[in-house]
Amino acid sequence: GAGVSQTPSNKVTEKGKYVELRCDPISGHTALYWYRQSLGQGPEFLIYFQGTGAADDSGLPNDRFFAVRPEGSVSTLKIQRTERGDSAVYLCASSPSNSYNEQFFGPGTRLTVL
Amino acid sequence: GENVEQHPSTLSVQEGDSAVIKCTYSDSASNYFPWYKQELGKRPQLIIDIRSNVGEKKDQRIAVTLNKTAKHFSLHITETQPEDSAVYFCAATSRAGKSTFGDGTTLTVKP
Repeated sequence: GAGVSQTPSNKVTEKGKYVELRCDPISGHTALYWYRQSLGQGPEFLIYFQGTGAADDSGLPNDRFFAVRPEGSVSTLKIQRTERGDSAVYLCASSPSNSYNEQFFGPGTRLTVL
Repeated sequence: GENVEQHPSTLSVQEGDSAVIKCTYSDSASNYFPWYKQELGKRPQLIIDIRSNVGEKKDQRIAVTLNKTAKHFSLHITETQPEDSAVYFCAATSRAGKSTFGDGTTLTVKP
């Protein structure tokens, strides 16, 4: 079946602009995760959804970052007033439930803030 | 919060040799420890995982060991092949589902 997909694959924006990044998880997966990966580092946890609700948003760096998953499937990560430091690859992953389950990663969105 | 340290950051071995990557974690509540392989420009993919009620797990040339008391776990790859060259990440996952990743080990297997 189809894996996790993310759109767009690349996004270039100017400092101060608003961006939305989309994640389509594997059908039926209740858990969805957002990570940010900078060059040479491991994925950094941002937020985790169980169904429609954010079970843990402790990784969101500040209030410019927000994520939603209104119907328990597709999720959107929203970044307001982008800064150059936001440039990274944003990875989404899904799993059948939370712990003890493999997380299936999407291909990522490479965000570049000029 | 959880802190995961991974060593070494780079590892170069000859084809056929073994490779060992080690990780330590800080939160005793973490109970699931996956290892991911990430090739350049690609997404991380799970290669093996271990749960906290198990001390060792093996899958062909890959094995993982977990020492809960010492809070460390290791990845062992035997009979390495050039296609094993990639970046490997360990992670510690809490019961609530949050995963903390190490900074990765770049493994190079020389033919």
